[in-house]
Amino acid sequence: GAVVSQHPSWVICKSGTSVKIECRSLDFQATTMFWYRQFPKQSLMLMATSNEGSKATYEQGVEKDKFLINHASLTLSTLTVTSAHPEDSSFYICSATENANYGYTFGSGTRLTVV
Amino acid sequence: QKEVEQDPGPLSVPEGAIVSLNCTYSNSAFQYFMWYRQYSRKGPELLMYTYSSGNKEDGRFTAQVDKSSKYISLFIRDSQPSDSATYLCAMSADSNYQLIWGAGTKLIIKP
Repeated sequence: GAVVSQHPSWVICKSGTSVKIECRSLDFQATTMFWYRQFPKQSLMLMATSNEGSKATYEQGVEKDKFLINHASLTLSTLTVTSAHPEDSSFYICSATENANYGYTFGSGTRLTVV
Repeated sequence: QKEVEQDPGPLSVPEGAIVSLNCTYSNSAFQYFMWYRQYSRKGPELLMYTYSSGNKEDGRFTAQVDKSSKYISLFIRDSQPSDSATYLCAMSADSNYQLIWGAGTKLIIKP
């Protein structure tokens, strides 16, 4: 079955530094990847959609210069939180699909804590 | 074998029927269990969140957790066409919310 590997599982960083989160599709070609943010016990908020080789499409209210998304290959997408601040502390989840008709596969998430 | 198994469906039922959606899992350390609903091209919406075993009811939705059988269920009463969506189960072992997801079940409610 389709597997998406997301790393790291958790990260603590100092305010002002940048953090990169990776999302890899292990056994399929992820033509489209999605990045979500989730606060405790709340629904996932879509941040951006990326298609391989194209610039990501950001949802309204998401700063594209702060949340850099790169989808350079069919198996890897990265989210870089630049100049992180404590309010960026959250749970970030990626999902990927080869064909939306076949469904989406989610990563296990990354807990980011900015101190 | 995946840690969480969920039948992808599609599951098609007539309007008004009781729907039963299920997931099984293998990791006995899971303690937090969630059900999400995802409409096409939208992010998953958290429907139910339960800790440990037991039942939880919210309107037409009831979530059940049977840790002894490693089996969770979501029941939808008086199903409506607007309930047509993909339902995902997710679970985690600790409050850090490292989530393990089911594959999602596509539900179709026929008017």
